[in-house]
Amino acid sequence: GAVVSQHPSRVICKSGTSVKIECRSLDFQATTMFWYRQFPKQSLMLMATSNEGSKATYEQGVEKDKFLINHASLTLSTLTVTSAHPEDSSFYICSVRGQGPYEQYFGPGTRLTVT
Amino acid sequence: DQQVKQNSPSLSVQEGRISILNCDYTNSMFDYFLWYKKYPAEGPTFLISISSIKDKNEDGRFTVFLNKSAKHLSLHIVPSQPGDSAVYFCAANGQGAQKLVFGQGTRLTINP
Repeated sequence: GAVVSQHPSRVICKSGTSVKIECRSLDFQATTMFWYRQFPKQSLMLMATSNEGSKATYEQGVEKDKFLINHASLTLSTLTVTSAHPEDSSFYICSVRGQGPYEQYFGPGTRLTVT
Repeated sequence: DQQVKQNSPSLSVQEGRISILNCDYTNSMFDYFLWYKKYPAEGPTFLISISSIKDKNEDGRFTVFLNKSAKHLSLHIVPSQPGDSAVYFCAANGQGAQKLVFGQGTRLTINP
């Protein structure tokens, strides 16, 4: 499967600031990437689907102006949490769509803490 | 609306015995199901999957069973090993859809 990395693995920021999270597909050209969020003891919730060279598709209830997604290349997608608030503190995970229609390979995740 | 449900938040099993993790779904359009394993502070890793045209898929110690009429699937791990201790998520993928819908996860603890 694809090797997916995320950077940073952990970030602490102050309320009101913006944070960028990178998701890289190291050995696979990823035309489609996904961004998930996981709150403690809850499921992974899909936030958006990111397609290379086009605008991301956001899930219902996810603010596109707050969670900016850029997928400018086949190996990199970024998620920027703008004007972060403590309630945005969560574990953010990206995944890369594999060759099969149902395959997804996940990154290690980024723990965001907003103080 | 939780379309994929894992009703047991945790499960404790003795090493060497069988672990059975359960998952229910509500959407009859789902046609492919996957199990992922997740360690703390890591992303999920794929374990095993099953298409709706099958009722069983086996891979080593892992077997997934699908009961379409009951909209229920289960993951059997036998024999259970300490390294199997993790959170297990079931996920479903709708026909033609790229998205995965995840259950809440079950934390499996294997006791020596």
